[in-house]
Amino acid sequence: EPEVTQTPSHQVTQMGQEVILRCVPISNHLYFYWYRQILGQKVEFLVSFYNNEISEKSEIFDDQFSVERPDGSNFTLKIRSTKLEDSAMYFCASKGDTGNYGYTFGSGTRLTVV
Amino acid sequence: GEDVEQSLFLSVREGDSSVINCTYTDSSSTYLYWYKQEPGAGLQLLTYIFSNMDMKQDQRLTVLLNKKDKHLSLRIADTQTGDSAIYFCADLGRSYNQGGKLIFGQGTELSVKP
Repeated sequence: EPEVTQTPSHQVTQMGQEVILRCVPISNHLYFYWYRQILGQKVEFLVSFYNNEISEKSEIFDDQFSVERPDGSNFTLKIRSTKLEDSAMYFCASKGDTGNYGYTFGSGTRLTVV
Repeated sequence: GEDVEQSLFLSVREGDSSVINCTYTDSSSTYLYWYKQEPGAGLQLLTYIFSNMDMKQDQRLTVLLNKKDKHLSLRIADTQTGDSAIYFCADLGRSYNQGGKLIFGQGTELSVKP
């Protein structure tokens, strides 16, 4: 069964450093997403991406965050200057065309900011 | 804004049925989802239901939707120890683009005792 792959599974970074979280969505999917889950809290939507541009973003997704699909297979989330409160599990997801409503999630990247 | 609520814990005996409940606030909800998260793993899509249906069955899983009360439930028949996990309810929230975004509940931790 097709999978969404995320790397790394765990990343530790110093406060103020830039991090890039990587995802390989399912190959024929068209819509891509990042969600995050702070420990003990709900899974929250960050951003959706379609046709090489951001479709929608949440209030959390401020100027410190950016997304990119650099090569037609990878989908990345960059946090420019990490803060302690960015520590969370980050999930990538993808979805097929507009008639397909199954969102497939990756295993997540646990980001720890120290 | 849109919200999804679940009870936090459920404990059942192996072989019993489990019923995990969820309520949501979005009266325009179109699709509702159940995801499973095992320890250290990602979000696995179990099933989803379109809002014009009131029931969907898939092997041991039965989803019931009461749109009037905005109540969704997931019944797992003959629950096994391997069903122990966190179960998330999610609503395909209002979105101004066709990609959509999911609004998650806080997850119900199902514990299955032998």
